[in-house]
Amino acid sequence: DGGITQSPKYLFRKEGQNVTLSCEQNLNHDAMYWYRQDPGQGLRLIYYSQIVNDFQKGDIAEGYSVSREKKESFPLTVTSAQKNPTAFYLCASSIMGNGANVLTFGAGSRLTVL
Amino acid sequence: AQKITQTQPGMFVQEKEAVTLDCTYDTSDQSYGLFWYKQPSSGEMIFLIYQGSYDEQNATEGRYSLNFQKARKSANLVISASQLGDSAMYFCASIYNQGGKLIFGQGTELSVKP
Repeated sequence: DGGITQSPKYLFRKEGQNVTLSCEQNLNHDAMYWYRQDPGQGLRLIYYSQIVNDFQKGDIAEGYSVSREKKESFPLTVTSAQKNPTAFYLCASSIMGNGANVLTFGAGSRLTVL
Repeated sequence: AQKITQTQPGMFVQEKEAVTLDCTYDTSDQSYGLFWYKQPSSGEMIFLIYQGSYDEQNATEGRYSLNFQKARKSANLVISASQLGDSAMYFCASIYNQGGKLIFGQGTELSVKP
């Protein structure tokens, strides 16, 4: 079945450490996105990519980095520069050029900084 | 800038009754799209329904319908015949600039009572 796989589902990190969240899709979607969700809040866009080897900052990119070396993969690194990284992270993908541009989401990764 | 407002942090509805979840949006774009997503306690975002700004008919998908009032800039979600499995967070979102970026509201937590 086609879908988006995020790993790990739960992750604990010590302060000062970088951590990378994996996102893989087999939907042949062009665009991929990373969102952050804090408790009781909506989703905020971190980074997005519409094509391989290209990506753009979203609304809260500071302290995060991404890469898009393959169409299927869009890993997110939470760096030590991110002051409050504890959150729920959601990866999504979509077909570009589709008017409705429905995003398909992964199951999410929950990061806790100890 | 785009903004989505959901004014109901929490809602209760009796099983089998209908419920309306409010959403207002703020945009100066002529072309835009509006979405509703459901987020169960598992965390995954599930697409429910889409309305394009040029669509004259209100969108419907099974028990979900979107009450689109363009002049009032509102896109309320109506769930008919509520079921216990409808208990979840519901997010309204809009898309703009053809970049595929979704802007989310704060969400409404719906609880369905037996």
